Parts: sequence; C-alpha cells; structure tokens
Amino acid sequence: EVQLVESGGGLVQPGGSLRLSCAASGFTVSSNYMSWVRQAPGKGLEWVSVIYSGGSTYYADSVKGRFTISRHNSKNTLYLQMNSLRAEDTAVYYCARDRSYDSSGYPDYFDYWGQGTLVTVSS
Amino acid sequence: DIQMTQSPSSLSASVGDRVTITCRASQSISSYLNWYQQKPGKAPKLLIYAASSLQSGVPSRFSGSGSGTDFTLTISSLQPEDFATYYCQQSYSTPRTFGQGTRLEIK
Repeated sequence: EVQLVESGGGLVQPGGSLRLSCAASGFTVSSNYMSWVRQAPGKGLEWVSVIYSGGSTYYADSVKGRFTISRHNSKNTLYLQMNSLRAEDTAVYYCARDRSYDSSGYPDYFDYWGQGTLVTVSS
Repeated sequence: DIQMTQSPSSLSASVGDRVTITCRASQSISSYLNWYQQKPGKAPKLLIYAASSLQSGVPSRFSGSGSGTDFTLTISSLQPEDFATYYCQQSYSTPRTFGQGTRLEIK
C-alpha cells in the first residue's frame, strides 16, 4: 500500500528556515517523480516543486531561490528545505507522487498525497 | 502561466442529482487536464486524469470530458460522500496550475 507521511511543519518567524520531510512506503521515491503542493488557509492548491527520478528539480517562481527539494534514497524520503520564509508561505504542504500519462518524460498528475503538514510564518 | 477558471465557484445540489462542473483554460491544453476531490481537512484525491480517464477505485458515476480549452466533470447521481471541493489541474505546461475550486454543498 502506498503511503506518504509528512512531518516538520510548525511556527517559524519571517526570514527563518524549516525542513519538511515526507516518508514514503509501498513504492520507491527515487524511481518516481515527486512533488510538493501547498494550500494556504482557505485557499486553493499551488504546485511548489518537483524532483524527477533522474534528479532534475524544478520550482514555482514564488519559491525559486528560497526552497530546495531533495531526497534520501536509502531512507525513501523526500524533503523540502525552506529558507527566507515569508508570511505568504503559510500553508499546508503536501507531498505527492507524480505520474506521467505516458513515456513523455514529464509529470502530469498527482496520484497519491500525504496528509499534509502546516507551516505558519508569523512573528 | 496558464490560468484555469472553474465554474461555478459553489454549487448546491441534492442527493441523486446530476451535477456538472466546468473548467476553462486560458489557452489550449489538449487533454492535459486532471480532476481532484478534496474534503475538509483532508488531502486531495485524484478522480480523473488525461481529461477522461477514471482513476482506479473511483466510482463510475464520475466522468470527465473535453479538450482544448473547455472541460467538464460530471457526477451522474450525487451521493452523500460526494459533497466536497473539486479542483481541475493542467499539465500542458510548467508551472502546473489548478483551478480555484468548486465547492459542492448539500441543498
């Protein structure tokens, strides 16, 4: 059974840092596309970052240069290092397994999601 | 970025009703369109991918259609567990973007 369990959220001051973790089971993180998607309180969904099985990484413009996605293969865990945090980064952060429709080499949809971890940026 | 606009933003319906939610893209996205259901306090759940393919385990009362810029999600006969918020998402170009959501409420 596929499971994703996030951790690491909490309250942080503006300008601070936080590292989120997403422990996966039932599949191999390093063989899949993996993404982070966030949802501000009462708002919609926003894709944040993706890591490809080959290691390439991509980011939304809103977090580029501040956030870093990575993985630990032997721990089967995905990470999101968040630096220079702003109030507008306050959200529930979900990790999600990312799938492609075909062999195009690009991810298309999120088929499994974790339960989310809340990040609050406030003084 | 491609903008996704859903309509309506909210909808009241009764158990047994047939419901249609629309998603419009700001440019053609072929069939690169996915639908999710989210209940309060829970993670989104994939319903439909590639515009019309039903995700494994999702009831057949859910269906998707469309291509280009206009897409629909249809629930053929609403069940109590279907009251939730629904999001469309495009994967035609990066960044992948979501619609603002359609909240489906009990009448």
